This record gives sequence, structure tokens and C-alpha cells, in this order.
Amino acid sequence: LAKTTQPISMDSYEGQEVNITCSHNNIATNDYITWYQQFPSQGPRFIIQGYKTKVTNEVASLFIPADRKSSTLSLPRVSLSDTAVYYCLVGAVSGSARQLTFGSGTQLTVLP
Amino acid sequence: GAGVSQSPSNKVTEKGKDVELRCDPISGHTALYWYRQSLGQGLEFLIYFQGNSAPDKSGLPSDRFSAERTGGSVSTLTIQRTQQEDSAVYLCASSLAHGSANEQFFGPGTRLTVL
Repeated sequence: LAKTTQPISMDSYEGQEVNITCSHNNIATNDYITWYQQFPSQGPRFIIQGYKTKVTNEVASLFIPADRKSSTLSLPRVSLSDTAVYYCLVGAVSGSARQLTFGSGTQLTVLP
Repeated sequence: GAGVSQSPSNKVTEKGKDVELRCDPISGHTALYWYRQSLGQGLEFLIYFQGNSAPDKSGLPSDRFSAERTGGSVSTLTIQRTQQEDSAVYLCASSLAHGSANEQFFGPGTRLTVL
């Protein structure tokens, strides 16, 4: 079962690039890496997903090194509205079961 | 289309009472997940359904917790003889299919408070 580790919190200023790294040393061959964003009193919302190398969409980039033991979420030019908790999720499949491990989350605070 | 909905949004109950939480997934989504999030904490995986079956229930905290899904759609999470440590937000999510590559869509959660 893949265990994930993230920094508890990060601060940034508006307009800066923010990089949040998640460690998942026991990631399995079939696991994808997914990042979610959560605002207070809401459920998490999908940001980006990848398997290896680099993935980019309209809101973020995801960097995954060759060994896949970590991943880095990159948010370009953050704004105040990006203040939220960011979780990485690594899926695991074992036989017919499916265990999912969310990281403990990183509280990103964007300052003016 | 409609997203994942959960009811009730808030539930206050007394210790020892049973509660039932409901999740309506996105239509056509075959996989459904329940998570628990305690105040200021991350998400704790409880159980997942593929169709109406739950291949693995080992994430449920105790035998007071049970879940079922009928018709491949609505799911209910039942907590019997609630305890104060059961107080948390219970989140439901659904995805199109089984497999870690599938995006999960989350509901707004049910905030459970056990007095």
C-alpha cells in the first residue's frame, strides 16, 4: 500500500510559482498519481493526473521522475483564490481490492 | 449534468444512536467511494464499491460501520451506536470506472456531530 508524504503547509505570494512535492516510495507499477484541491467545507476537486514524466493542463503541471517515488505539483502564478489544501492520491490495486491513499495534504496560503 | 450529492449536509446526533448517510453518485459511474475527514485532517479511505459489491471493507474503522449500494447507484453508510470519535465529515466520491487512472468526483460531504 503506497504511503504518501507531503509538507504540512506552504506560504507564497501572488504571482509566484508554487511547487508542492509528494513522496510515495512504495508506489506500485499500475498506480497513477492524482492531485486534488480542497476548499473549506467542500469536497476535493481534481486538478491533474499523471503516470510518468510531465503532464500539463490549463491550471497546473505535474512532474514525475523516472523512479516515480515522488511527484511535484506546480502551480504557475498563484492568486489568492489558490489558497486551499492540496492532496496527492496514489491508487493501489491488490487483487480485487482497491486501497486509496491520500497524502495528509498541504495547506497553501497565498498572500497579497 | 448533476454532480455527486450527499444527504444530509449536517447531522447532529446523540451518542449511542444510529445514523445513515446517503450518497447519490453521478449517473453512469460504476465506482463509488466513502472517505472520512476529521477536523483539520486528511482523507481516510473507508470503503469502495464496484457496482453493488464492495471488494474490500477493511478500511471501515469498526464493525459499527457498514455500507451498501443498491442498483449500482445510491449508497448508504450506516454507523451504529455512534461515538464521539465518529464526529467528522463523511465524503463520497464516484468515478466512471475501476482503476487508479479514473478521476474521482466528490460530493460536498455530510458533517456528522456526535454529542
